[in-house]
Formats: sequence, structure tokens, C-alpha cells
Amino acid sequence: QIQLVQSGAEVKKPGASVKVSCKASGYRFMNYAIHWLRQAPGQRLEWMGWSLHGNGDTKYSQEFQGRVTINRDTSASIVYLEVSSLRSEDQAVYYCARGFEGTFDFWGQGTMVTVSS
Amino acid sequence: DIQMTQSPSTLSASVGDRVTITCRASQSIRTWLAWHQQKPGKAPKLLIYKTSSLQSGVPSRFSGSGSGTEFTLTISSLQPDDFATYYCQQYSSYSYTFGQGTNLEIK
Repeated sequence: QIQLVQSGAEVKKPGASVKVSCKASGYRFMNYAIHWLRQAPGQRLEWMGWSLHGNGDTKYSQEFQGRVTINRDTSASIVYLEVSSLRSEDQAVYYCARGFEGTFDFWGQGTMVTVSS
Repeated sequence: DIQMTQSPSTLSASVGDRVTITCRASQSIRTWLAWHQQKPGKAPKLLIYKTSSLQSGVPSRFSGSGSGTEFTLTISSLQPDDFATYYCQQYSSYSYTFGQGTNLEIK
């Protein structure tokens, strides 16, 4: 069955970086984009960016451009999200999701990132 | 960015009721509109894509309609498992945005 399994919860200090992984299984990895989204407590979901299928080109939301990096290890079917210069507003649950018809059909379980001094 | 506004923000209903949630886009998104259901502490689940296409495995009591800037999600007969938060989501010009959510609670 199709699964996206994310790495575990992280606690970081302000100004630090965090790297979250998303391992895909159950489908042909190269055929679908993987997106990253986040949800702060009580807030709506925010799209952060994607790693395209095929050549793995990336595109980022303007809000996160310059502070977020998405890359992938095709041989291991893993996509990574790195967020730098963390601040309190970055405290959220981060999700990876598979791209499908302008939306997201399978989601990872979420990774809680806590930013605290 | 295109802004998405849902109404109502909270909806109280009973098992068996027919309910409708509305989503408005700040500009036309043609039919690139999806609906997701989210329960506390869980990842969202795709229900409807491209305005009215039912995702595989989703019960047929869920349906979607609309085009341009106004869209609706209808649940024809509420079941206990349906009490959750619902989000609309648009795709346009390589960008995705979500509504603020509608919390569907038991009356």
C-alpha cells in the first residue's frame, strides 16, 4: 500500500535549522511530485514547496523562498525538507504529501517541530 | 496569492442531516478545487478533487460542485465518522492555498 513515513519530532532553538525526511513506498517514486506543507496550532494548512517527479526540480512558495530547501534521494525514495533560521512562528506540524490532480492524495503522518529557547 | 474563504467556520448538525459548506476564491480557479477532511491529531484526508471527482474509497454521500470562484461540499446524510474539520484547497499558477477550515460538530 502507498505510504509516506516521516521522521520523528524535533526540538530546536531559535536561529537553528531543522531537516525532516519523508520516505515513500508502495508506488513508483519517480512518477509523482512530493510536496511539503505545514500547520501551526489552530491555523490553516500552508503549502511550502515541492520536489517534482522526473528530474526532481523544486519550486517554493514565495513566503518560504530562501529559507527552505527541498531535495531528494531518488535511490532511497526519500524527500527532505530543511528549514533554516528557525523562529517561534515556525513551530508547527510539517507534512509531506504526494501530488495528484492539483492536490494531495496521500499524506505523511506529520512531524512536530518545536522552536524553543 | 489567491485567498480562500470558507463559510461557515463552525457548523452544528445531527446524524442524518444534509449539510453544505461553501468555499469562495478571491479570483477564478476554474475547477482546481479540492476538499480535505481532518480529524484532531491526524493528517488531512483527500475527499474530492477537481471540484467534483470523488477520491477512491470515499463514501458517495460526499459530493462537490461549483466553478470559477464559488464551490460547495455537500454531505447528504451525516454519519458519526463525519464530524471533523473540512478544508477547501485551490491550485493555480504553481501555488496552493487553503481555506481557514469548517469545524463540523455534533449538535
